[in-house]
Amino acid sequence: EPEVTQTPSHQVTQMGQEVILRCVPISNHLYFYWYRQILGQKVEFLVSFYNNEISEKSEIFDDQFSVERPDGSNFTLKIRSTKLEDSAMYFCASSREGARELFFGEGSRLTVL
Amino acid sequence: GESVGLHLPTLSVQEGDNSIINCAYSNSASDYFIWYKQESGKGPQFIIDIRSNMDKRQGQRVTVLLNKTVKHLSLQIAATQPGDSAVYFCAGTSGTYKYIFGTGTRLKVLA
Repeated sequence: EPEVTQTPSHQVTQMGQEVILRCVPISNHLYFYWYRQILGQKVEFLVSFYNNEISEKSEIFDDQFSVERPDGSNFTLKIRSTKLEDSAMYFCASSREGARELFFGEGSRLTVL
Repeated sequence: GESVGLHLPTLSVQEGDNSIINCAYSNSASDYFIWYKQESGKGPQFIIDIRSNMDKRQGQRVTVLLNKTVKHLSLQIAATQPGDSAVYFCAGTSGTYKYIFGTGTRLKVLA
C-alpha cells in the first residue's frame, strides 16, 4: 500500500541551526502539507502546497519556515534558525486531486537544544 | 477562534464493549470532518470521514454521527478490541485543506 515517507525520523539540533525535514508523498498525489504536533498537544496545520506554490499557511508558518518541492518526488520543510519552541513532531501529508482525505507520514521528531 | 475540541481526554472501555468518542467544533462553516487514530510514535491514520450533508456514516466496526445543530461529532467503535487503543482525533475543515484538529481522546481498552 502506498504511503508517505519522512526522513529523518528524529533529529536533534542546536538552537539557531537550520533544519531540513524531508518527505516523499504518495506518488499520484498532488496536494502536500506539513503539520506539527508539540508533545502532548494537538496536531496543528502549518502549510499546504499545490502546483509548486503555497496555497495556504498558518500563523505558525512565519519567515523562518519554507517549503520546497525540489524534484518530482520530494517535499521539504526548512526551518532556517531553529528555536526551542520548534521542538515537535512534524508530519507530512498528501492528498489526491479532488479528494479531501489526508494521508500522513510517520513523522519526524525535531528536538532543539 | 476556530476550534475543534473533545469532551474527554481519556476513555477506558472493556474489551468487547462499544466505545463512543465525542467531539465538538466551533465553525459552523465546517463542511467535512475526519476521524483519525494515532498510535504511539506514529502519524494519524484515517478512520472515517463525513460530509456536512450527512448525519451518519458507517464503516467497518465504526460509525460517525454528525449533529450540525449542536456542532457535535461522535465516533462509535463496536466491539472494541485491544488494537483500538490509541489517541483519536477529530478534524474539520471548511472547504480548504487546512484541517483543524482537536486535542485528542486516549482510548484505553481493558482486558
